Formats: sequence, structure tokens, C-alpha cells
Amino acid sequence: DGGITQSPKYLFRKEGQNVTLSCEQNLNHDAMYWYRQDPGQGLRLIYYSQIVNDFQKGDIAEGYSVSREKKESFPLTVTSAQKNPTAFYLCASSTQAGTSFVDEQFFGPGTRLTVL
Amino acid sequence: AQSVTQLGSHVSVSEGALVLLRCNYSSSVPPYLFWYVQYPNQGLQLLLKYTSAATLVKGINGFEAEFKKSETSFHLTKPSAHMSDAAEYFCAVRTNDYKLSFGAGTTVTVRA
Repeated sequence: DGGITQSPKYLFRKEGQNVTLSCEQNLNHDAMYWYRQDPGQGLRLIYYSQIVNDFQKGDIAEGYSVSREKKESFPLTVTSAQKNPTAFYLCASSTQAGTSFVDEQFFGPGTRLTVL
Repeated sequence: AQSVTQLGSHVSVSEGALVLLRCNYSSSVPPYLFWYVQYPNQGLQLLLKYTSAATLVKGINGFEAEFKKSETSFHLTKPSAHMSDAAEYFCAVRTNDYKLSFGAGTTVTVRA
């Protein structure tokens, strides 16, 4: 089955630690995205990547970093510089950003990060 | 810049009653609009999308939405609510740089 997997489902972090959230897709999609979800605020874009070895900051990139070394993988690192990292993190992918074809984004199941 | 506003953060309906979720958009160009559903502790699932082919769009699970340019709206409806419709619903618009801008979401509860 094609889809997006995120791991782990739950993650606990001590203050001052960096943690990495995994996102893998086997949909052969070019574009991938990371969102942060907080209650009552909808989804806010952290980073996105339209092609391998390239990525751009979204609306709330401070305290986060990403890499895109492979088409199917887009890991997100939450660094100690992120002051309030407790949230639900969602990864998504789409066929190709920047085209006229109106393709929707497909979402993974999410990772819930809690800072202890 | 494109954006959407969802009116009402919570909607409560009785089982069998009409579900109406409101979404208004702001866009200087013809918009591409989406409705997603999220069940607790899960990712988002696409319900339907508007791409200018037809103003009335039918989606999964009996939902549909009507694009009204004069009202800059894209409200989501379902004629008869089911207990399984309890979830959070998000309206989204595609931006000029091909990203999605989401509304704050509307939580639906269904009363037996």
C-alpha cells in the first residue's frame, strides 16, 4: 500500500535535547511538507521541499531543521532552540508543487511530541 | 495573499440532522479550495476539492461543498449527520506559491 509513515507516534523530550521526527513516503511524490498543529490554531507550515536536496522555510521555521537527501524521506529535527516544542507534528506530500495541476496533499498519521 | 476563515470553532448537531460548516476565502485569483477531516490523533484526510470544474463538489462520506464566488464561500454540508462524523474539519486554499493555507478548524460533535 502506498502512503506516508511517521515515526515515532509519541515522543518525549527533555528540555535542551534535539529530537528527530521521521517521515517516509512511497507515493513517488516530489514535494514534502512539515506542519505543526496546536489546539485552535489549525496547521502551520514549518518547512517544505519541492525537490531532493532543496527545501524552504515555512511560516514558523525557527528552532527546526530539515534535510531532503532522498526523494522518499524528509526528517524534521526539533532543536533546543525551539522554546515551545510540545505539539502534534504532521508530515505531508504531494505530486509536485509549482505546477498547474491541482493535486492535494496526503498526510501521515502524525507524531505527538511532549517536552518533559 | 490567499487565506481562509472558518466560522465557528465548534458545531454540535443531532444524529440525522444537517451538518453545515462555513468557510470563507480571500483570494485575488480564482482559488483552489479543499476540505479535510481529522479524527483524533490521526492525520488529515481529503474530503473534497474545488478546482473550478464545477461549483458543487461531491466528496467522500456523503459530504459536498458549493463554491459561491459572489459570497467568497465554500461551505461544507452533509444532509444527515452520523456519529462517525464527529471529527475536526479544516478548510484550505492553495496559495500563489503552491502551498496550502489552512483555517483554524471546526470541531463537530454529534449528539445521539
